[in-house]
Amino acid sequence: EAGVTQFPSHSVIEKGQTVTLRCDPISGHDNLYWYRRVMGKEIKFLLHFVKESKQDESGMPNNRFLAERTGGTYSTLKVQPAELEDSGVYFCASSPLGSGTVDTQYFGPGTRLTVL
Amino acid sequence: AQSVTQLGSHVSVSEGALVLLRCNYSSSVPPYLFWYVQYPNQGLQLLLKYTTGATLVKGINGFEAEFKKSETSFHLTKPSAHMSDAAEYFCAVSSYGSNYKLTFGKGTLLTVNP
Repeated sequence: EAGVTQFPSHSVIEKGQTVTLRCDPISGHDNLYWYRRVMGKEIKFLLHFVKESKQDESGMPNNRFLAERTGGTYSTLKVQPAELEDSGVYFCASSPLGSGTVDTQYFGPGTRLTVL
Repeated sequence: AQSVTQLGSHVSVSEGALVLLRCNYSSSVPPYLFWYVQYPNQGLQLLLKYTTGATLVKGINGFEAEFKKSETSFHLTKPSAHMSDAAEYFCAVSSYGSNYKLTFGKGTLLTVNP
């Protein structure tokens, strides 16, 4: 079974440019989470999809960030325009829609974003 | 709100020595607790988790952790370190009311010396 995949693995862009990160969850996983780790800090929650619906986007930093999940499958996270403080590693995780139990979140390898 | 504190951003042990990585949490509701490990150039991998029931939880690669509610702790241990254990370790907390989103500590980098 394929794990969570993320593309690209690295991205280097200039301030003011646009970048789109993609996450493909494990097949059949309805929960999809985005997290971000800024250098030297903890990994922080950004948002949570259940299928194609945004369940919780309380962690999104500002309106320069737009997340979508087409048809409840893969998800994209667009940053437009990118700022220096957006640099970091963006992780995606997925889990099945549980039956009242705490299902494990499976993480992708992350996308390292550098904004110059 | 939930939070996690990992004591020690960097821990160094000798091969064969005890590994102890400390984690304290804060939660106003019953917590679910996790330890994840990140090896170089890889994603986070679940080591173990506590949800309910037995407070001593065994995970992969010989790691275990004990949930101590009175101390709000969930320390990770391994009796004998191996070179392959060198990685960054993250403690995290979640709860039902938070839609299971994870709140992480800052991570502890474990170095194993030969």
